[in-house]
Formats: sequence, structure tokens, C-alpha cells
Amino acid sequence: QQPVQSPQAVILREGEDAVINCSSSKALYSVHWYRQKHGEAPVFLMILLKGGEQKGHEKISASFNEKKQQSSLYLTASQLSYSGTYFCGTESIAAGNKLTFGGGTRVLVKP
Amino acid sequence: DGGITQSPKYLFRKEGQNVTLSCEQNLNHDAMYWYRQDPGQGLRLIYYSQIVNDFQKGDIAEGYSVSREKKESFPLTVTSAQKNPTAFYLCASSVDRGDTQYFGPGTRLTVL
Repeated sequence: QQPVQSPQAVILREGEDAVINCSSSKALYSVHWYRQKHGEAPVFLMILLKGGEQKGHEKISASFNEKKQQSSLYLTASQLSYSGTYFCGTESIAAGNKLTFGGGTRVLVKP
Repeated sequence: DGGITQSPKYLFRKEGQNVTLSCEQNLNHDAMYWYRQDPGQGLRLIYYSQIVNDFQKGDIAEGYSVSREKKESFPLTVTSAQKNPTAFYLCASSVDRGDTQYFGPGTRLTVL
């Protein structure tokens, strides 16, 4: 069963913040975040391992709450280049350590 | 430069024909994957391979076949048994299963 991402879409003005959530029904070992521009391949942003650590990439950071089986991606002071679709990929022992991707969250940053 | 290449970028096929999509990587990664993406949707796993001469079905393997004769190559054949093959196909690789996956540029397949 794939993880659930919310919201499905968000529209921001440049400089605004947003949070994307990724929830799983399975106990997670890690969460991977990717961003995909239209018609292109997904690009890796960051990986969060079991342990609740928080990581960052530019002004994009993420957290992982293994007890709640969820991860959140934080877009801070958004830039136009942040536009795209964000996917979380979850890894769990129950799924044989394969990545299972969520349905994606479309982000549009306007000037 | 290390990376993953997929060819062709666009592919058109007539109904009832088999077609093979190419995926090559020079990252020395052991694991390789094939995903299908439909418009506005997420990525669904078709097949994956952890080592040469071994591969496993993913969530939507019906109508597809793969081979892994070389570490660098993981071609995907879309057979005539796949009822709705029009989609964007992405190949990825990682050092090992569960590690960060790096994606190729994708092949957009259209069945006419």
C-alpha cells in the first residue's frame, strides 16, 4: 500500500512557506524525498533514516517521525525553482525494503 | 560523466506489437528498477533487479518482461499482453536495494 501525501496540490507566492506530509500504514525504515519537474525524471532531494533525524537541502528540510510513521517536507521562503511535483518514497521491511512512492504533491510557486 | 541513460525518449507503437525500452547505467550500481508513471500520478514499480541474472516482479509486472544479463543494462519489454501501455517509463538505479535511487530521463511510450 502506497504512502499518502497531503496536500495534493499547493500554490504559493515566492517567499512563502509550505509543508508536505507523507504518511504510511507500515513501520518505516527510511523516507526518501524527490522532486519532479514536468516531463522530466525525479531528482533526489534527501533521505531520512529511522531515528527521527531532520535533514536539509537548500531551504528545503524534512523530518521523520517513525512512531507516527510519517515524514514532513518543509519548503521555506519558497523560490520559483521549487515548483514541481514532490514525491515521498517509503522503505519498510514489510515491503521488502523496496521504495513505495506516494501519489505526489504538486507545488506551484508564483512570483 | 556517470549516469543513467534511457532510449528512445519518445516511442510510438502499434497495438499488438512488443517493444523494448533501453536502460543503461555506468554508476556501478547493483540494483536497477523500472517504474511506470501515468499523467498526474505517482510512480509504480514494474520490476527490479538486485544483481545480474536475477529480477523480481514489482506491483504491476503483468504484460512486461525484463532481463539483467549485464550489471549495466536492464531492458524492459512491453508486450502485447499489456492492455494499456501508453505511459511515461522511468528507469532507476541504486547502490543497493533501499538506497537512494537515481533516475534516467525516461521514455514516453504511446500506443497508436
